[in-house]
Amino acid sequence: QKEVEQDPGPLSVPEGAIVSLNCTYSNSAFQYFMWYRQYSRKGPELLMYTYSSGNKEDGRFTAQVDKSSKYISLFIRDSQPSDSATYLCAMSSIGGSNYKLTFGKGTLLTVNP
Amino acid sequence: EAGVAQSPRYKIIEKRQSVAFWCNPISGHATLYWYQQILGQGPKLLIQFQNNGVVDDSQLPKDRFSAERLKGVDSTLKIQPAKLEDSAVYLCASSLEAAGPEQFFGPGTRLTVL
Repeated sequence: QKEVEQDPGPLSVPEGAIVSLNCTYSNSAFQYFMWYRQYSRKGPELLMYTYSSGNKEDGRFTAQVDKSSKYISLFIRDSQPSDSATYLCAMSSIGGSNYKLTFGKGTLLTVNP
Repeated sequence: EAGVAQSPRYKIIEKRQSVAFWCNPISGHATLYWYQQILGQGPKLLIQFQNNGVVDDSQLPKDRFSAERLKGVDSTLKIQPAKLEDSAVYLCASSLEAAGPEQFFGPGTRLTVL
């Protein structure tokens, strides 16, 4: 079983739709849960991260972590064509000052105008 | 603030040739990472440096890959000899020491091995 599982999609939605992206994981030591966005031929950029369980909101983006189910989600409200990208979940345990990220495969999202 | 710089952006080589990638992290970032991202996969950590020292190279294929970080700033990743399965994007990232898990990525070098 992979440490982090993510449905690669692809996912295609109309503009304005609510998008739900998900990852599951098996390593109970993970404490930080991150979502990166990667545009074509670019490096990943951090959207947001959550420590331990709970929700976090930033504009149109909401991240949720359910540690009891080992399940994390990213919701995008009022999706825009500029949101079209690959979304990568990443997770990290804490080892001193070192944060080793384990990434999912990424979900390719297309928002159609 | 300038981001992470990488060069070259693209490289095409034949198998068994050697290749080197260069990374310049964000100024002041003590930690530097090299990742390999195969098409359709998430990035996989190859090696992590803290200043000049190697923190984690457990997933680096040491028979063909090597990396160094000069004076705790720039870094080079080398592959010698290259195999077909090394075709991937090589991403460099950096982070502030003990500042949380956020890593800043460069644009990557896309390697094609023929």
